Amino acid sequence: AQKITQTQPGMFVQEKEAVTLDCTYDTSDQSYGLFWYKQPSSGEMIFLIYQGSYDEQNATEGRYSLNFQKARKSANLVISASQLGDSAMYFCAWRTGSARQLTFGSGTQLTVLP
Amino acid sequence: DVKVTQSSRYLVKRTGEKVFLECVQDMDHENMFWYRQDPGLGLRLIYFSYDVKMKEKGDIPEGYSVSREKKERFSLILESASTNQTSMYLCASSPITSGRAYEQYFGPGTRLTVT
Repeated sequence: AQKITQTQPGMFVQEKEAVTLDCTYDTSDQSYGLFWYKQPSSGEMIFLIYQGSYDEQNATEGRYSLNFQKARKSANLVISASQLGDSAMYFCAWRTGSARQLTFGSGTQLTVLP
Repeated sequence: DVKVTQSSRYLVKRTGEKVFLECVQDMDHENMFWYRQDPGLGLRLIYFSYDVKMKEKGDIPEGYSVSREKKERFSLILESASTNQTSMYLCASSPITSGRAYEQYFGPGTRLTVT
């Protein structure tokens, strides 16, 4: 079965510093997509960033960037200049190219310290 | 603006009750999904639907059923609620995939407690 792994249950980072949240996936598919979502304490899931397996460059969206290493099957999320509002649960999710559904990792709880 | 709504934010039911969780989206999306979220397990897919009256089982369909009579509405049904179904339930929708990135849009979630 396809699998997606987030090995860091919790992370702490000082405000204004950068932080990397790890995500590895296990697939033999050639075409797939990787997503990152943020879930604040209020509960809503917020889409952050997407990386396609055929994308040449790492995806970036404002302070979020994706460190995509295809050979290592990793898609780590980098948040630059952390803010207190970044404190939340972060989920990595994976979808094979033809599928409609996502498979989610177990999440990483990020706490930004003042 | 994209919107997915769920009928309740919090729900308390008794063991053995039949429970309906409703989800409505206003984006004319073909795909709709039901997940449950438990600490340490992330989100797990229960069922999804890619068209009216069409459904597919996800990873954990046991104890659940779904109904999609209209494109905008996707219902999750617990035929006989049990305490191990106490969880956060999240509904999502997305447009039909075509190999591009199509993010899923999530509702606010329903926290269900079965006593």
